[in-house]
Amino acid sequence: EAGVTQFPSHSVIEKGQTVTLRCDPISGHDNLYWYRRVMGKEIKFLLHFVKESKQDESGMPNNRFLAERTGGTYSTLKVQPAELEDSGVYFCASSQDWRQGAQGGYTFGSGTRLTVV
Amino acid sequence: AQSVTQLGSHVSVSEGALVLLRCNYSSSVPPYLFWYVQYPNQGLQLLLKYTTGATLVKGINGFEAEFKKSETSFHLTKPSAHMSDAAEYFCAVSRGYIPTFGRGTSLIVHP
Repeated sequence: EAGVTQFPSHSVIEKGQTVTLRCDPISGHDNLYWYRRVMGKEIKFLLHFVKESKQDESGMPNNRFLAERTGGTYSTLKVQPAELEDSGVYFCASSQDWRQGAQGGYTFGSGTRLTVV
Repeated sequence: AQSVTQLGSHVSVSEGALVLLRCNYSSSVPPYLFWYVQYPNQGLQLLLKYTTGATLVKGINGFEAEFKKSETSFHLTKPSAHMSDAAEYFCAVSRGYIPTFGRGTSLIVHP
């Protein structure tokens, strides 16, 4: 089975530009999660989709971040306009159901390293 | 609220030596506890977990961890380090459905 795929793997953009990150979850996984790790800090939850609906977006830092999951398949996370503090690694994870995820049954992607200069 | 503290951002051991990565948590109720590992250029993968039952849990690649409620700890150990164990390790605690992660500990293994 294919894993969770994220691209690009790396992105370097200038402050004020827009960047869109993409995540393709495992086929059939209704639950999709975005996390972010700022260098040297914790991995922090951003939001959770169940199919195409946002179940929990309490971790989204501000309105410069927009996540979508049209059709309940892949998801995008857009940062517009990007600021220096947005630099970090953005992880996506998926699980078949929320209980599986709650017991550690996430499958994580390898992340997108975003650098804002 | 729950939180996780991982002592030491880097731990360095010699090949064959004991690995000990420390994790302390705070949670108002008994939590689920996890250790994840991230190898270079890969996603996080679950190493082991404690949900209920036996407090000593065994994971992949010879790792194990013990849930000690009185010490609010869930330290990760491996009797003998291997070069392939070099990676970043994350402790996480969950009482709901979204885990709270620690800052991670990079394990460096010297020949």
